Amino acid sequence: GENVGLHLPTLSVQEGDNSIINCAYSNSASDYFIWYKQESGKGPQFIIDIRSNMDKRQGQRVTVLLNKTVKHLSLQIAATQPGDSAVYFCAETWNSGNTPLVFGKGTRLSVIA
Amino acid sequence: GAVVSQHPSWVICKSGTSVKIECRSLDFQATTMFWYRQFPKQSLMLMATSNEGSKATYEQGVEKDKFLINHASLTLSTLTVTSAHPEDSSFYICSAARQGNTEAFFGQGTRLTVV
Repeated sequence: GENVGLHLPTLSVQEGDNSIINCAYSNSASDYFIWYKQESGKGPQFIIDIRSNMDKRQGQRVTVLLNKTVKHLSLQIAATQPGDSAVYFCAETWNSGNTPLVFGKGTRLSVIA
Repeated sequence: GAVVSQHPSWVICKSGTSVKIECRSLDFQATTMFWYRQFPKQSLMLMATSNEGSKATYEQGVEKDKFLINHASLTLSTLTVTSAHPEDSSFYICSAARQGNTEAFFGQGTRLTVV
């Protein structure tokens, strides 16, 4: 995906509410998608993944939705907690081999206690 | 999950000097390692892909003579920033993948500050 600008989009949510973070991916050939959480000064932390043969996958408090028609991914976090505050990135790749991840722009999630 | 260790976690160096960053896969063999760079408030940008025993593949705009990558073993890749300048100050992150596996495991990153 294209990385432009110096200001990450920010999503502010009240503690306990649900959060939805969206991502548009760029390559129609991508067949594997991952959401990462990145806290300040740390590397990306895996949250959940989904393959292109699925349109929804659920984990603990998180759900990823994939819409291949419009090349859109979303991450839903249920009952958002202060510890969820971080920057969230979607990433895409293809070929099921050792191809690199292409990261989206990122969204900063700020949880208001 | 698998563990990838990156060292050092931060480094400050003088302009014109070289800095080496190590990326190790601790509990698996990584046939491929990737190096990313992240500027403040921006996303991770792929710099290069390195396969064990062969030359790295660099992304467009990344100078291969400035960012030397060595992947001499299945558990270690190094990135050397040569003749560093202040504009090279950034957060460098490696990731490692097993053969044929799309899941990538990330190191904790290295904050490079060139003064």
